[in-house]
Amino acid sequence: DTGVSQDPRHKITKRGQNVTFRCDPISEHNRLYWYRQTLGQGPEFLTYFQNEAQLEKSRLLSDRFSAERPKGSFSTLEIQRTEQGDSAMYLCASSLLRTGGNEQFFGPGTRLTVL
Amino acid sequence: DAKTTQPPSMDCAEGRAANLPCNHSTISGNEYVYWYRQIHSQGPQYIIHGLKNNETNEMASLIITEDRKSSTLILPHATLRDTAVYYCIVSPLSGSARQLTFGSGTQLTVLP
Repeated sequence: DTGVSQDPRHKITKRGQNVTFRCDPISEHNRLYWYRQTLGQGPEFLTYFQNEAQLEKSRLLSDRFSAERPKGSFSTLEIQRTEQGDSAMYLCASSLLRTGGNEQFFGPGTRLTVL
Repeated sequence: DAKTTQPPSMDCAEGRAANLPCNHSTISGNEYVYWYRQIHSQGPQYIIHGLKNNETNEMASLIITEDRKSSTLILPHATLRDTAVYYCIVSPLSGSARQLTFGSGTQLTVLP
């Protein structure tokens, strides 16, 4: 257990529905990252926050995706009008801005299945 | 970010040392070498990182060549629970918040 939690762990939805995932990072970590991982591939970066500010978004993050971190603590990732291609594991990670390294600590992930 | 090259798979006997190689010939002076692993159906787990000196922690040792173009992760006494995909990643120094760019990694299988 890294101290990063994600909810739910599994989500099955029908195409066209909206889904929202939550991530609770390690409490003192000021950086929070979202990644997506499809079967057989390494995780791919989606977006990251420093405190409450969303500082970078990947081209993978289409207009149907939105992420928030309203008080610089937990974060949510919403996918609107889900498509079958959105089926993947969604991973959250957190880190602490410091010198000497930027090691990220990952949660267990939310596995999304779009039918 | 510099690209890394790892063998797709390796086997190791339980109790023996597992030596996982990584090539990063285009690494630049401000990039660290990070190692993560991912056990099936879990999130990636940070193992170790280094800049140019060899590093050791409770999980593993990291040996970086003098020219920094390659590195080796050493698990000194592999157990069955070390079976996982191991990712070698190069990423700039902290202070510049950067995402991790994962490749395909090495599937390490520890055999009884």
